[in-house]
Amino acid sequence: KNEVEQSPQNLTAQEGEFITINCSYSVGISALHWLQQHPGGGIVSLFMLSSGKKKHGRLIATINIQEKHSSLHITASHPRDSAVYICAGPIQGAQKLVFGQGTRLTINP
Amino acid sequence: DAGVIQSPRHEVTEMGQEVTLRCKPISGHDYLFWYRQTMMRGLELLIYFNNNVPIDDSGMPEDRFSAKMPNASFSTLKIQPSEPRDSAVYFCASSFLGTNTEAFFGQGTRLTVV
Repeated sequence: KNEVEQSPQNLTAQEGEFITINCSYSVGISALHWLQQHPGGGIVSLFMLSSGKKKHGRLIATINIQEKHSSLHITASHPRDSAVYICAGPIQGAQKLVFGQGTRLTINP
Repeated sequence: DAGVIQSPRHEVTEMGQEVTLRCKPISGHDYLFWYRQTMMRGLELLIYFNNNVPIDDSGMPEDRFSAKMPNASFSTLKIQPSEPRDSAVYFCASSFLGTNTEAFFGQGTRLTVV
């Protein structure tokens, strides 16, 4: 069993839909990262959060440390949001990120 | 700052050859990470440096892999000899205070060993 699990693995939606990607982890994590990887391959950090909620434009990330669960939401989704979204967390006391397997999101126009 | 810069972007080499991947981290960042991404295993940490010193290389798959950071602005990942199973995308990332701060990734090097 992976230490960081994402769901769904693949998600296809229509432009404008509200998107939710979930991340659950079984290890002690001090903070959680959400990353975005576009088809060109580059990886961009979207959020790093250790509690509560963060918002950046149409993207919202929430985390519940007690339940070891985080969600990434996209409002008013757009085809340019199509990418792989990866959650990752540093194991407490270490500088190692443990990665989820990624969620491939496709937004159709 | 131009961000984390990796070179080359693509590398195709024959089995048995030496391959050297290069990374220039963001100036002022104390941590540098080398990751490998494959379809089967996703993203994996290979090694990381703090203030140019290798701290954890437990993710380096074999003795064929080695990494150096001779100064704060340059790191290399070398594979010698290369094998087809080394084919992957290799990412370098840097951050200011380690994994509890935002990580900045390079564009990656796509390595194909034939």
